[in-house]
Amino acid sequence: GAGVSQSPSNKVTEKGKDVELRCDPISGHTALYWYRQSLGQGLEFLIYFQGNSAPDKSGLPSDRFSAERTGGSVSTLTIQRTQQEDSAVYLCASSLGATSGGLDSYEQYFGPGTRLTVT
Amino acid sequence: AQSVAQPEDQVNVAEGNPLTVKCTYSVSGNPYLFWYVQYPNRGLQFLLKYITGDNLVKGSYGFEAEFNKSQTSFHLKKPSALVSDSALYFCAVRDTTGNNRLAFGKGNQVVVIP
Repeated sequence: GAGVSQSPSNKVTEKGKDVELRCDPISGHTALYWYRQSLGQGLEFLIYFQGNSAPDKSGLPSDRFSAERTGGSVSTLTIQRTQQEDSAVYLCASSLGATSGGLDSYEQYFGPGTRLTVT
Repeated sequence: AQSVAQPEDQVNVAEGNPLTVKCTYSVSGNPYLFWYVQYPNRGLQFLLKYITGDNLVKGSYGFEAEFNKSQTSFHLKKPSALVSDSALYFCAVRDTTGNNRLAFGKGNQVVVIP
């Protein structure tokens, strides 16, 4: 079946502009996660959704970062007034989530990522 | 807060030799442990997990890992490495307190030499 998809695959933007990154999780997965991968910081957790709610957004690095999820499916990560330090690969993952009860609910499946470059 | 250490930056191994990638973790309570692999310009691909039960878990592509609670380790192993195993490997941990985030190690580059 279809895996997690993300768009765009690459995004180049000028410093100060806003960007939106999109994630389509695996159908039926209630949990959705955003991570950031950069050379200096490794893989960092950003935010977790269970359904449309975000019980853990503690990884968002500043108030320029926000995310939403609608219909329990697609999620959008928005970065306002981008800075050069925001350049990274943004990874989305999904899992069956807390309501499934089975062991497989702990596996997170990752998308290919969006490479963001802020010039 | 949970954390993972992958002490080696790069692991070089000859094709056909055993491969080991080391991982130690720190977490409150019992851990859920995972290994992921990342090929160039690709997302992370799930290899295996330890949740409960047998300490030796088997995963995709002939990989296995052993959970050692006393040493807080979860080393990844493969008996006979292939050139195609050359990739970046990440160990991750999640605690059992309801916090669903994964904490990743910095990753290990594995190079299998033909």
